[in-house]
Amino acid sequence: GESVGLHLPTLSVQEGDNSIINCAYSNSASDYFIWYKQESGKGPQFIIDIRSNMDKRQGQRVTVLLNKTVKHLSLQIAATQPGDSAVYFCAETFQGAQKLVFGQGTRLTINP
Amino acid sequence: DAGITQSPRHKVTETGTPVTLRCHQTENHRYMYWYRQDPGHGLRLIHYSYGVKDTDKGEVSDGYSVSRSKTEDFLLTLESATSSQTSVYFCAIGGGTREEKLFFGSGTQLSVL
Repeated sequence: GESVGLHLPTLSVQEGDNSIINCAYSNSASDYFIWYKQESGKGPQFIIDIRSNMDKRQGQRVTVLLNKTVKHLSLQIAATQPGDSAVYFCAETFQGAQKLVFGQGTRLTINP
Repeated sequence: DAGITQSPRHKVTETGTPVTLRCHQTENHRYMYWYRQDPGHGLRLIHYSYGVKDTDKGEVSDGYSVSRSKTEDFLLTLESATSSQTSVYFCAIGGGTREEKLFFGSGTQLSVL
């Protein structure tokens, strides 16, 4: 999987299908993780977060899964819609917001 | 964008000129941040502020200075712009005790020719 800080992969899904976006992190001390969505020409938008004492957290149509054993984070989007087209990236920290480390993201495109 | 306004939205300038970007927030948040976003590097922290007149350096602070004279305003200054500072700059607010999520403004596209 991709590590925080590497290339920008692309995920293409059919409208209505579920999307799974993955993120690998390198710092085993990280205890807080965030997923952001960034649409073209806009700033990153907070989607969902999770702390290391949890394995799963659900929001509206989104679920974040955390596997600390393999240092892996995933974002699941249910029933993907055209408005979900964006770059999604994860961020991690263990020392507060000023130490957030951002990945470069995955571009999600929706096929009609 | 969480009550954050960045100005200008776009700027083109020449190498060697000073440039100031402004971030204004209406959330009365103590912490404010400046990031740059570049292909291949993601978001990188330039400077942040933890209160009026209280600032600290981030990962890529060389060539940048900041000032915060009021809670609502955080200025980023490029004293002498270089082509390597061509980037998209984002302001963010958030963070604090057990609160790490950040909320971002819409960004400023800066081109240094």
